Amino acid sequence: SQTIHQWPATLVQPVGSPLSLECTVEGTSNPNLYWYRQAAGRGLQLLFYSVGIGQISSEVPQNLSASRPQDRQFILSSKKLLLSDSGFYLCAWTRLAGDEQFFGPGTRLTVL
Amino acid sequence: AQSVTQPDIHITVSEGASLELRCNYSYGATPYLFWYVQSPGQGLQLLLKYFSGDTLVQGIKGFEAEFKRSQSSFNLRKPSVHWSDAAEYFCAVGGLNSGGYQKVTFGTGTKLQVIP
Repeated sequence: SQTIHQWPATLVQPVGSPLSLECTVEGTSNPNLYWYRQAAGRGLQLLFYSVGIGQISSEVPQNLSASRPQDRQFILSSKKLLLSDSGFYLCAWTRLAGDEQFFGPGTRLTVL
Repeated sequence: AQSVTQPDIHITVSEGASLELRCNYSYGATPYLFWYVQSPGQGLQLLLKYFSGDTLVQGIKGFEAEFKRSQSSFNLRKPSVHWSDAAEYFCAVGGLNSGGYQKVTFGTGTKLQVIP
């Protein structure tokens, strides 16, 4: 069966510090991968998606970047965090275009 | 551009009562439609999905949803709510973009409170 992992589960970082959130998928190959940010009362905002290794598309301009160094690994990064980067970050994958998304447990990021 | 509207931010129902959560979408073609549920501090879990065919879709946990093209709606229903259904519910619309991947747009969610 397929599973998706995210870590860390929670993170508190000062403004201006770097960020690295990791997402890995097990039990499948060549998944489509997604990073979302969820802010209270604002639903899910798609940040990045990837259809293959090294292939990253950004949905919104921002302080964050993403990378996919391996087929089932998706990393969300920042060189300098802003207060507005606080939120709940969710990673998701799909097998096929149009199929349901499977979500990870999320990372709660607080920037102070 | 595709969009999803969930007009109810918060709904309170009594345990055992029926439930309907509203969802309206905007999409240029036949959409892929989803309902997800999220418990506090957790990821999202798929309740049901509509791609084509029968417009009344059955999902997990006794939920169902009906696709009404003429109203651009995909409302979620449950005949009798249980206390464990208290959570946040997200409607989503999906479709292929020019890059061939599935772009999914989520609504802002409806928080369901269940009272005894």
